[in-house]
This record gives sequence, C-alpha cells and structure tokens, in this order.
Amino acid sequence: DTGVSQDPRHKITKRGQNVTFRCDPISEHNRLYWYRQTLGQGPEFLTYFQNEAQLEKSRLLSDRFSAERPKGSFSTLEIQRTEQGDSAMYLCATGAGNEQFFGPGTRLTVL
Amino acid sequence: DQQVKQNSPSLSVQEGRISILNCDYTNSMFDYFLWYKKYPAEGPTFLISISSIKDKNEDGRFTVFLNKSAKHLSLHIVPSQPGDSAVYFCAASSLLGGGADGLTFGKGTHLIIQP
Repeated sequence: DTGVSQDPRHKITKRGQNVTFRCDPISEHNRLYWYRQTLGQGPEFLTYFQNEAQLEKSRLLSDRFSAERPKGSFSTLEIQRTEQGDSAMYLCATGAGNEQFFGPGTRLTVL
Repeated sequence: DQQVKQNSPSLSVQEGRISILNCDYTNSMFDYFLWYKKYPAEGPTFLISISSIKDKNEDGRFTVFLNKSAKHLSLHIVPSQPGDSAVYFCAASSLLGGGADGLTFGKGTHLIIQP
C-alpha cells in the first residue's frame, strides 16, 4: 500500500495524559498537513510542513500541541496534558501537486 | 465564520438518478476548489477539483460546476450508484494544492442512494 498511513488508528486516554500520533506520507510528497475533525464538522487545518520545515500553524494549535517532521519523512503530532475537548479524528494529508491525499486518521477519545 | 458552506446536511437520491451537491463560499481569495468523499472510519478520498479559471470540470460520472460571480459550486453525479453513498466535503484554497494554509472544508453533505 503506497498511500498515507497513520498509527494508531484509535487511541483512548485519560485526561491529563500525553499522546503521540504518527503519519507516514506518500514517499515522494514534500507537503504534509495535519487536520482535526470533530463530529458534524469538516476537517480543520492544524499545521503544515514543507519537507522538514513547519511553515504554518493554525490558531487551533494550542501550546499543548507540537508537531515534527524530522528529515522530511514521517511526521508526529503530540498532545500534552490531554483535555476532553481534544477528542476528535486527527487526519494527516500529503501532497505534491494540486491535490491532498488523506490518511485514514487517528481517532482520539479522552476520558 | 464558515468560509465554505454546505447547507444540506443530507440528501437522498434514487439509484440511477442525478445527485447534485451544492457548496457556497464567502472568501473571494479562494481560487481552487475540491470535492472529497468520505466513508465511515476512513480518511477523505479526493474526487475532483476545479480551478477558478474554469467553470466546469468533468471526470467520468462526476462533474463540478463553478459560478464565481455567485461564489457557488456544485458536484453532479450521474448516474448515482449505491457505492456513492457517503459524506461529501467541499474544500477550497487560495493556492493550488492548499499551500501553507491547507484546505478550508465545509461541514459535509451525507448522500444516501436509495435502491
């Protein structure tokens, strides 16, 4: 499978715990995005990487959130001190042309 | 403030007929528009896109129409098939491919194809 992959697919955690998600992009894609989707809403942009450089962050990305893309390959999104409001689907997308291709997402549930 | 609006949360269409999904936008800086399809427990799948220099783009059963003056686009699926049942998202950007700000999505329309 040469598509975008994300791990884990599901994560249940207790409030206050830290969680980390991983995204493996399509290998030749240099653009990588993270989005968050809550129930009844479309995906909302969180952050953007061009190769290894994080070039844009949404105001939705509080200081509890951090993302990295070492060596311009896979990316990680970490949420520290999780809150119940962080419960959502976290989607990774990559692109090298006009379109973005999404992974299956990581569903986070914060109890 | 919703910059991309899909005002119909759901739409039911009979198999074989035409499905028309609508989308309105408010940001005049948007110049590239995309439609994505999403099944439960999967990520959105790219369907079709259109640049603001065109008013129509066709790909098989899918056609997207863009009316820039009305800030309105629509996705036509004909004929509709049972496998088309999914949530459809309209998305827009001010740069080809989404640029640094990513894509701005609507809330989606749940299309149900009835046999």
